[in-house]
Amino acid sequence: NAGVTQTPKFQVLKTGQSMTLQCAQDMNHEYMSWYRQDPGMGLRLIHYSVGAGITDQGEVPNGYNVSRSTTEDFPLRLLSAAPSQTSVYFCASSYMSDQETQYFGPGTRLLVL
Amino acid sequence: GENVEQHPSTLSVQEGDSAVIKCTYSDSASNYFPWYKQELGKGPQLIIDIRSNVGEKKDQRIAVTLNKTAKHFSLHITETQPEDSAVYFCAGRAGGENKLTFGTGTQLKVEL
Repeated sequence: NAGVTQTPKFQVLKTGQSMTLQCAQDMNHEYMSWYRQDPGMGLRLIHYSVGAGITDQGEVPNGYNVSRSTTEDFPLRLLSAAPSQTSVYFCASSYMSDQETQYFGPGTRLLVL
Repeated sequence: GENVEQHPSTLSVQEGDSAVIKCTYSDSASNYFPWYKQELGKGPQLIIDIRSNVGEKKDQRIAVTLNKTAKHFSLHITETQPEDSAVYFCAGRAGGENKLTFGTGTQLKVEL
């Protein structure tokens, strides 16, 4: 199993540009989530999904959209990037019945100029 | 929702010494507390977890303790080694919720 994969590893955007961060898992996990990591602030939940077709907001959802059309994929969209969205983004997944053990991807480092 | 506080933010120990990281949580109904280790340039990885019906759990050099009355839990690393150097995150799950709330992280440095 590849586990949780994320692309790209690093991205530079200009303010106002849009992009999609990709996340995929091959463990048949129902639960998937996106976090952002900023210095001194730990990991903050952006959006999460408990299954295909179901998404919900986390702690810091503004400026981000998600969709879950398949069990495997959970893309994160930035419609109009802002410098405040400069961060490291992590995708994570787990089983619902054992959702506690969340497996994280390697992260995407995003710089918005 | 849940609120998790973590201390200290940085911790430096000599190789072979013990390291302790402490976290407090706000929701008395929280029932699950994992600890993650994040090495430079990588995603967090689960190292140990504890549930609210257990007071202590050990796995080789790592142990976690939980005090439900005081609403705090701690990570203990004994006989520290250079490869233990990393950022450690605690987290909690509030009762009835799916999502985890993370602490702000502790940068542990094990010096030779």
